[in-house]
Amino acid sequence: GAGVSQTPSNKVTEKGKYVELRCDPISGHTALYWYRQSLGQGPEFLIYFQGTGAADDSGLPNDRFFAVRPEGSVSTLKIQRTERGDSAVYLCASSPVPNDYGYTFGSGTRLTVV
Amino acid sequence: GQNIDQPTEMTATEGAIVQINCTYQTSGFNGLFWYQQHAGEAPTFLSYNVLDGLEEKGRFSSFLSRSKGYSYLLLKELQMKDSASYLCAVPMEYGNKLVFGAGTILRVKS
Repeated sequence: GAGVSQTPSNKVTEKGKYVELRCDPISGHTALYWYRQSLGQGPEFLIYFQGTGAADDSGLPNDRFFAVRPEGSVSTLKIQRTERGDSAVYLCASSPVPNDYGYTFGSGTRLTVV
Repeated sequence: GQNIDQPTEMTATEGAIVQINCTYQTSGFNGLFWYQQHAGEAPTFLSYNVLDGLEEKGRFSSFLSRSKGYSYLLLKELQMKDSASYLCAVPMEYGNKLVFGAGTILRVKS
């Protein structure tokens, strides 16, 4: 597509529930990133995919968070047993090649855990 | 590790010039980025500096001093649409990821 698409744009869920956040990167972009942005803060790195594999998942806060990219295109970020502290905007970004930091961000999914 | 500092908020007048500073501490250096982020929107790439000096791009310029661990973003002929958060970011020493500052909220008033 023309840009990085993230769905849903907003998600409200109850504490303890499971959520999935989807990212459609720009067609042909091999590198895909997930970041999390809390109010008044800059984005924080979560995970980086090169193709289908998670090349670096060191930013995932704990084992409730998991992400996949089975066909090297669309990625899903999965959060189990959500907590109120998970409330944030989850941003996805993609770039055509690795080490290209001028990547394109999506508009994000605003997750609210109540 | 990396540490980035930028002012929290700034206010400037339409038509004026504003300078947004960023200081950083890194174990290695692979360049510095500036992003613009309007409220509720995605961050968009503004500039990338890897060598010392000023890079000019229209109304926006970015400066880097590696020896001082210092950068600034200069916005000229401010317009109301420039009201946004400006994020300074550096690549982490290892891996393909950026460390962002908390952002500077710029308010342009008429």
